[in-house]
Amino acid sequence: DSGVTQTPKHLITATGQRVTLRCSPRSGDLSVYWYQQSLDQGLQFLIQYYNGEERAKGNILERFSAQQFPDLHSELNLSSLELGDSALYFCASSVASWAGRNAIYFGEGSWLTVV
Amino acid sequence: AQKVTQAQTEISVVEKEDVTLDCVYETRDTTYYLFWYKQPPSGELVFLIRRNSFDEQNEISGRYSWNFQKSTSSFNFTITASQVVDSAVYFCALSEGERGNKLVFGAGTILRVKS
Repeated sequence: DSGVTQTPKHLITATGQRVTLRCSPRSGDLSVYWYQQSLDQGLQFLIQYYNGEERAKGNILERFSAQQFPDLHSELNLSSLELGDSALYFCASSVASWAGRNAIYFGEGSWLTVV
Repeated sequence: AQKVTQAQTEISVVEKEDVTLDCVYETRDTTYYLFWYKQPPSGELVFLIRRNSFDEQNEISGRYSWNFQKSTSSFNFTITASQVVDSAVYFCALSEGERGNKLVFGAGTILRVKS
């Protein structure tokens, strides 16, 4: 158990819909990262927050957005869903504001299926 | 730009065999960080190791060992006396620089250990 909690674990939704994925980081971790894992793209970095502020953006679509709340949990919002958005979405957390400084621990992921 | 190559798509071994998973990276920075993660069939990403570019000492943890060679830009992972529970996808990842905000992952190597 990494200490990073993600909900829901599985989600099936229709095209055009909107979903919210939730992440609670490890106790004491201030950074939250979101990654998408798909068969064709592999593991891709989406976005990072540190202590409530956005720190880095990766290959995140405009239809996707995220935020980190004062209690440090984070949510990833996916809207106008397309079939191609079906993927495993990971949240990860670490203590520091930059990725290499400490170990980065991943949650179990949220499996999203868009039908 | 940073890049990680895991040339072995899939490896099959028989239990108790030793197996080495290759990882070659590209970066222009002199400071960088390398990681290995395990993804078992259940899907979660399990942190195995983090290594910085200034520490070329090999590391051993039980049946796991890592060989870091800056001269060949490689960070290989060896499992000694493999077990069926080692069957998983293994990912190598790179974080560039002291302010890098993301992990760049390789495509992963599927390891199948047969009894």
